[in-house]
Amino acid sequence: DAGVTQSPTHLIKTRGQHVTLRCSPISGHKSVSWYQQVLGQGPQFIFQYYEKEERGRGNFPDRFSARQFPNYSSELNVNALLLGDSALYLCASSLAGQGTYGYTFGSGTRLTVV
Amino acid sequence: GQQLNQSPQSMFIQEGEDVSMNCTSSSIFNTWLWYKQEPGEGPVLLIALYKAGELTSNGRLTAQFGITRKDSFLNISASIPSDVGIYFCAGQLDGSSNTGKLIFGQGTTLQVKP
Repeated sequence: DAGVTQSPTHLIKTRGQHVTLRCSPISGHKSVSWYQQVLGQGPQFIFQYYEKEERGRGNFPDRFSARQFPNYSSELNVNALLLGDSALYLCASSLAGQGTYGYTFGSGTRLTVV
Repeated sequence: GQQLNQSPQSMFIQEGEDVSMNCTSSSIFNTWLWYKQEPGEGPVLLIALYKAGELTSNGRLTAQFGITRKDSFLNISASIPSDVGIYFCAGQLDGSSNTGKLIFGQGTTLQVKP
């Protein structure tokens, strides 16, 4: 069975540009969460989506947005990129909207902003 | 952003030695999770704890959910070279179950000398 898949694996963008990252959850998982991991730190929660609705939002500016599609895949969008947005962006999927049962992470998208 | 206090920050040990790391918080958690992350990969779940006082093992790994619900530890017995990686604790704050938000520690980097 495929795990959580994220695309692209690596990305280089220029300051001020926009980026879209994609995530496909494990088959049967209906919840997707996004995390930002800056080098040398633990992941920071950005969003959780369950059944296409936002269930939780971390302390990130409005430049960050996300959505979930009917097939439960998800996109994370970041506008007006800053150098500080350079990080590993992780997606995690889980069975349900509540709790963290079955929480499984993908390998991430490495975003570099220059 | 809010993070757990994880210690030690790094460890360099001899193969065969036992390892202990812990996480503490001033807040109460209803879930504690321990992850291992290797270069270029997302965190992989090692042990999940859902009840205060719970002691759970996974092979050579043992973790406990503190009675006060504000701490957790992970022990690795008889370390081997493939234990190398970054270990993260993660917790879910009491009352935040419906958001799926995990709060991560800063990580413990483990190096094992053969």
